[in-house]
Amino acid sequence: AQKVTQTQTSISVMEKTTVTMDCVYETQDSSYFLFWYKQTASGEIVFLIRQDSYKKENATVGHYSLNFQKPKSSIGLIITATQIEDSAVYFCAMREGNNYAQGLTFGLGTRVSVFP
Amino acid sequence: DMKVTQMPRYLIKRMGENVLLECGQDMSHETMYWYRQDPGLGLQLIYISYDVDSNSEGDIPKGYRVSRKKREHFSLILDSAKTNQTSVYFCASSSSTPSGNTLYFGEGSRLIVV
Repeated sequence: AQKVTQTQTSISVMEKTTVTMDCVYETQDSSYFLFWYKQTASGEIVFLIRQDSYKKENATVGHYSLNFQKPKSSIGLIITATQIEDSAVYFCAMREGNNYAQGLTFGLGTRVSVFP
Repeated sequence: DMKVTQMPRYLIKRMGENVLLECGQDMSHETMYWYRQDPGLGLQLIYISYDVDSNSEGDIPKGYRVSRKKREHFSLILDSAKTNQTSVYFCASSSSTPSGNTLYFGEGSRLIVV
């Protein structure tokens, strides 16, 4: 069974710095997909970035990038040049490639607070 | 415009009343989902729908049923709501591509059962 664990419950950073948050996953499948979502204060859940397990290059979208360490079953999210509006809860999620029927499994989230 | 819309956004019901949560998407996505979000439990999958009249239980289906009569609409029904169904419910949709499904979420529906 798949499992996603985010060990950091909250992180505080100063504006314009870099924040890194961790996520480890468990799966028996050789093919899987990893996602990061952001939940804003209003409750909206927004897709940020994704990493497919067969890709060796770390995904990058805008000021979001991933640190994919497959041997460690780890997919960290890095946000550079943080802004106040990056304050949110960030969720890591996974889907096993052969388990299409089960949707995504989510971690419990990491709350990021960005201070001026 | 890619959008998932949920109605109503807020709802207060008495225990034993029926609840209907509706979801629409304008992306022609085949697959739709209902999740609930609770503190400490995160997002849990209730039901998944692969297309019209093709639905499957998720991890916590007990107490819920769903209906999908049009591809763009997916409803979550609580027959005789219980207080432990107080939660925030999220609908999501995705396309059925073999390369994996990125879920797009609605704004959420906050349900309080008293």
